[in-house]
Amino acid sequence: KAGVTQTPRYLIKTRGQQVTLSCSPISGHRSVSWYQQTPGQGLQFLFEYFSETQRNKGNFPGRFSGRQFSNSRSEMNVSTLELGDSALYLCASSPGVPSYNEQFFGPGTRLTVL
Amino acid sequence: AQSVTQLGSHVSVSEGALVLLRCNYSSSVPPYLFWYVQYPNQGLQLLLKYTTGATLVKGINGFEAEFKKSETSFHLTKPSAHMSDAAEYFCAVSEVDSSYKLIFGSGTRLLVRP
Repeated sequence: KAGVTQTPRYLIKTRGQQVTLSCSPISGHRSVSWYQQTPGQGLQFLFEYFSETQRNKGNFPGRFSGRQFSNSRSEMNVSTLELGDSALYLCASSPGVPSYNEQFFGPGTRLTVL
Repeated sequence: AQSVTQLGSHVSVSEGALVLLRCNYSSSVPPYLFWYVQYPNQGLQLLLKYTTGATLVKGINGFEAEFKKSETSFHLTKPSAHMSDAAEYFCAVSEVDSSYKLIFGSGTRLLVRP
C-alpha cells in the first residue's frame, strides 16, 4: 500500500505570494491532518479534515486554509506569505479518529519564504 | 490547555547503553499518549501508543513506554541503543473526547555514540 505523498517536496516563494500544498492520503484513509514544523515552535496542529469537512482547526491566522476533496486528497493554502511561514508542512492520514488512531505522516513539504 | 513537556532537547548515549527519553503531560483526565520518531528528511513514524489497558506498552524497534498516571509521565525506554536509533523523538497527547488533533512535545534528539 502506498504511503502518504506530499507535493511538492520543496518550494521557494517570496513574501506576499500565496502557495498551495497537496497531500494524498493512504488509500482508504478518510482523515487528513496538517501540521507545521519549525525549529522554534516545533510541531503545531493546523487543521483536520474528514469526508470533506474540517473538524478542528489550530491557532493559526486566516491566511492558512485547507480543503479536502471527495477522494480524500487534501490541499492547504497559505496566502500573503510571511517570512515566519518558512517551515516543514507535514500531512498525516488516519483510518479513523486521529486522536487515538495511528497517524501516518508524509515526508513533508519544505517551504522557504524569501 | 493540554500540554506536553519533553525534558532534554538532546540526549546522548553510547551504543549498547540504556535509552531513556522523558515525557510529562498536563491533564486532569488521562489522555491518549503516543511516541513518534522522525529520521532526517522524513515524516514521523509511530513507535507506540497508549490508549487504555496495560500501562506498559511495547512498540517497534525494541522501544517501550510506561504510562504512570500518578506522575503524569510516559517515558520512552530501550535497553540497548543502536546507531540506527539516532533520530528525533516526539511525545504526543490527545484528549479522550476525540478532539481530532495531537499536541506534540518539543522533541528530543537522540545521539548515539559508537
